[in-house]
Amino acid sequence: LAKTTQPISMDSYEGQEVNITCSHNNIATNDYITWYQQFPSQGPRFIIQGYKTKVTNEVASLFIPADRKSSTLSLPRVSLSDTAVYYCLVGRGGADGLTFGKGTHLIIQP
Amino acid sequence: SAVISQKPSRDICQRGTSLTIQCQVDSQVTMMFWYRQQPGQSLTLIATANQGSEATYESGFVIDKFPISRPNLTFSTLTVSNMSPEDSSIYLCSVEGEGYGYTFGSGTRLTVV
Repeated sequence: LAKTTQPISMDSYEGQEVNITCSHNNIATNDYITWYQQFPSQGPRFIIQGYKTKVTNEVASLFIPADRKSSTLSLPRVSLSDTAVYYCLVGRGGADGLTFGKGTHLIIQP
Repeated sequence: SAVISQKPSRDICQRGTSLTIQCQVDSQVTMMFWYRQQPGQSLTLIATANQGSEATYESGFVIDKFPISRPNLTFSTLTVSNMSPEDSSIYLCSVEGEGYGYTFGSGTRLTVV
């Protein structure tokens, strides 16, 4: 499974846009890129998934360049409640389960 | 997406004892996954449980320590056996979603004293 590299931590302020970049140089042709969010004392929660170019949903956007060796999760206008750990994963899912990296601890300040 | 209920949500256990964690899903799923999250760490996959067959364990995890049952398509248990303080972690079950991604239970916080 492709290994991912993310910043260990990031700080931002309420109302700002936050971009978290993940490197996955060894991504395979049939791997998808998926981001999860985890709050303390809760299991991870699916945020967004993509294969290439740009994907947008009601909570985030995911930007994937043509070479797919990296991806950027964009959170628009963050609030204090967006303080969490964000995990970038690559893989096909199914019987493989998920391989989590260290994640990015995002701290949003007033 | 599926809704997962895990029991217990937390427990404090004596070393040398065993704890069985239950995971109930509100829909039938082929595969269920068990993860461990040690304090301050990321999640690590323990095993994959398919109904009607033995669980498949990841490197570093063995059936004698973490026996798993999967009696039907909506339920699974993970037992943490002969516990030591090093087993203090959050244990989570997960299923693959119908659309995208996986759904996780809220976890079982285990403290071994």
